[in-house]
Amino acid sequence: NAGVTQTPKFRILKIGQSMTLQCTQDMNHNYMYWYRQDPGMGLKLIYYSVGAGITDKGEVPNGYNVSRSTTEDFPLRLELAAPSQTSVYFCASSYSVVGKNTEAFFGQGTRLTVV
Amino acid sequence: DQQVKQNSPSLSVQEGRISILNCDYTNSMFDYFLWYKKYPAEGPTFLISISSIKDKNEDGRFTVFLNKSAKHLSLHIVPSQPGDSAVYFCAARETSYDKVIFGPGTSLSVIP
Repeated sequence: NAGVTQTPKFRILKIGQSMTLQCTQDMNHNYMYWYRQDPGMGLKLIYYSVGAGITDKGEVPNGYNVSRSTTEDFPLRLELAAPSQTSVYFCASSYSVVGKNTEAFFGQGTRLTVV
Repeated sequence: DQQVKQNSPSLSVQEGRISILNCDYTNSMFDYFLWYKKYPAEGPTFLISISSIKDKNEDGRFTVFLNKSAKHLSLHIVPSQPGDSAVYFCAARETSYDKVIFGPGTSLSVIP
């Protein structure tokens, strides 16, 4: 019952460093998403993918990159980390377009601090 | 500009009473609405949803009401239990896009 697994759970980065947040799901879901949650701001969509090889920008894509080479994995890359990227990052997946009987399942989150 | 709004950052309710969480949206193209619940240090989990062709959906203690003309929906929890204490996110999907937009959340505290 792994569901959506995110690693690492916590990370501190220095300004200008880069890192990759890992996300993998074992539910054979086609759709995958990356959100960030800032205090009082809800979840903002960074990037999403509707299948292997297909990605698209969400609401706040600047400063991030993604790839989707397999159905299972959807890593999020931060290049040149900035303090504004301090946030909690959530990966999610769904079988198809979110709707009746196709809700999104979320990972436990990665808390990232950029100092 | 927030397309999904939850104007009450927090709400406190006595155990056994009704909790009403509100959500407003601005995009008339939203056709599906969801509520997610989130405990600290965990990811959000799906709670209940409603299609824009309906005005009510019920699941046990949870009922979601949709008023399309007012672009407003609400989540009712009856009776409220201490285990319901969490942050509740309202979310909406736009038909032509494969993405879901979330509101800022309402933190519910159910007092024993």
